[in-house]
Amino acid sequence: NAGVMQNPRHLVRRRGQEARLRCSPMKGHSHVYWYRQLPEEGLKFMVYLQKENIIDESGMPKERFSAEFPKEGPSILRIQQVVRGDSAAYFCASSPAPGVTNEKLFFGSGTQLSVL
Amino acid sequence: TQLLEQSPQFLSIQEGENLTVYCNSSSVFSSLQWYRQEPGEGPVLLVTVVTGGEVKKLKRLTFQFGDARKDSSLHITAAQPGDTGLYLCAEMDSNYQLIWGAGTKLIIKP
Repeated sequence: NAGVMQNPRHLVRRRGQEARLRCSPMKGHSHVYWYRQLPEEGLKFMVYLQKENIIDESGMPKERFSAEFPKEGPSILRIQQVVRGDSAAYFCASSPAPGVTNEKLFFGSGTQLSVL
Repeated sequence: TQLLEQSPQFLSIQEGENLTVYCNSSSVFSSLQWYRQEPGEGPVLLVTVVTGGEVKKLKRLTFQFGDARKDSSLHITAAQPGDTGLYLCAEMDSNYQLIWGAGTKLIIKP
């Protein structure tokens, strides 16, 4: 039973290019969360999606960032026209259902984005 | 807005020593989770505490939840190099989103 799979593990982009980060949740999980982490800091919530729906995108910048979780295939976090400040580790987590006490999120290994 | 403060930010000790790290909130937790994150990996859940005064043990790790549910501590007995990592606390808010502390970076020297 594979865990949460993220790819690529490392992504290097030049300023102005687009970055696409992929996340395949654990089997049976229909809820996906994206987080961003800067060095020596905790995780910052970006967006919460269910299949074909964005539930909460309050943590995601309104410009250049978008996320989707289609009916088929992985969840995608897309960053257009990347800037150096976008350099960070981006983590995806999945769960079978939200809001249950003791809810456990399963995290992927992250994508380290470096913008040159 | 709930704020989680973790202390210390950084701790480096010798193998075999004991240590305690803390997580404090500006308001009452509904429940609190502790995670360990190793370099280049995502966080892994260690424990969830829910009830004020609760104590949970996980081998050499002891987790306490304050009576008022505004603070929590993680105590490690006889630390080992494998305990090295970033220890994060997180609380789930009313929208089912996790709010994270900045973490305590722990290094155990052999």
